[in-house]
Parts: sequence; C-alpha cells; structure tokens
Amino acid sequence: AQSVTQPDIHITVSEGASLELRCNYSYGATPYLFWYVQSPGQGLQLLLKYFSGDTLVQGIKGFEAEFKRSQSSFNLRKPSVHWSDAAEYFCAVGAQGGNEKLTFGTGTRLTIIP
Amino acid sequence: EPEVTQTPSHQVTQMGQEVILRCVPISNHLYFYWYRQILGQKVEFLVSFYNNEISEKSEIFDDQFSVERPDGSNFTLKIRSTKLEDSAMYFCASSQGGEKLFFGSGTQLSVL
Repeated sequence: AQSVTQPDIHITVSEGASLELRCNYSYGATPYLFWYVQSPGQGLQLLLKYFSGDTLVQGIKGFEAEFKRSQSSFNLRKPSVHWSDAAEYFCAVGAQGGNEKLTFGTGTRLTIIP
Repeated sequence: EPEVTQTPSHQVTQMGQEVILRCVPISNHLYFYWYRQILGQKVEFLVSFYNNEISEKSEIFDDQFSVERPDGSNFTLKIRSTKLEDSAMYFCASSQGGEKLFFGSGTQLSVL
C-alpha cells in the first residue's frame, strides 16, 4: 500500500529565508507525487506534481521539488519565503493513471516570522 | 481559475441524523471525489465517482455513506446516520481525468 511521511509537523522560518519541507513516500512502482497547499479557510491548491522526466519540477509561487528515487523523497523547496507562504503543506502520492485516489501525508504547518 | 464549490461551509448535526454535503464540481470535469480530514490527521480518500458510478472507495466509505450526482451539476455525499467520529472536514474534488485535482474549500462537519 502506498504511504507518505512528512516528518516535520511544524516549521518556523524567517521571511526571506530558504525553506525545505520533507516528504518520503512508499510505493511499489513509479509514483505520481504532488504537493498541495492549504491556506486557512481554503481548499487544497496544487503547487506542483511529478509524473516522469526531469526530477526537478517547478511549481507555482516560486516552489520547486526534487524527486529522488534512491531516497524515496520528494522534498519541497523555496529559496526565499514570503509571509503569504504561511499555510499547511501536504505531500501526496498517487497511482499511475493520475486521477485515482491520492494518499496524503499528515501535513507540515509553516509559520513565517518577520 | 475555475473553482469547486462546497456548501455549507459548516454543518452541525446531532448524532444519528442524516446529513447531505453538497458540491458543485467544475463544469467540464468528469471525475469526482470526496476526501475527509479529521482534525489533526491526514487527508483521507473516501470515494471516486465516474460515469455515474463509484469507481473506487475506501474502507471508510461503508454503507452509511452514499454519493450521488442528481442533476448533472451537483455532487453530493450523504451520511445516513452520523456518528461522533464522522466529525471532520470533508473535501470535494473534481478533475478532467489525468493529473490535476481541483479541491473545494471544504465542509466542516461537527457531530454532537
């Protein structure tokens, strides 16, 4: 069965500092990997996804993520965070086919301090 | 950008009562989903729906749950007899098929 681990429940970062959110997955075949962001009172918004090809994927809002098969990881990064990046971030893995069920991690809450 | 709309945003009900959570998916989408998130826990898949039938469901989606697309625009989740443990945020999602799910902002269900 597929699973996702986000080891950091809560991260605090200073505005302008770099950010890395960790995600490890378990899946028997080549996974489809996603990062979603949830702002307070909002739905889940897709930041980026990896299906195949270049292992460094670019997303919206200046985010990127790198797929590392050897480490079963798909960490999310941003070189310089903005106060508006404060939110809950979810990593998810999906089966090939892309539109079947997603398995989510428990999320990482990001707090930005001035 | 088109949106998935969910109503109500908050629903309070008594244990044992029936609730219907409503969703309006994006109009040209073909695949519909319900997920839920119990407070402090991960977002969990409940059910997927395509071509007017359930395509996949999780263990959570037992006989107390049902989904319907009654009129070609709405997509509903019904819980027949709510339990305390059904309290959660319920997310509707839709897609054209393929890679991108669009999620609604959720309905917070509180069962008292």
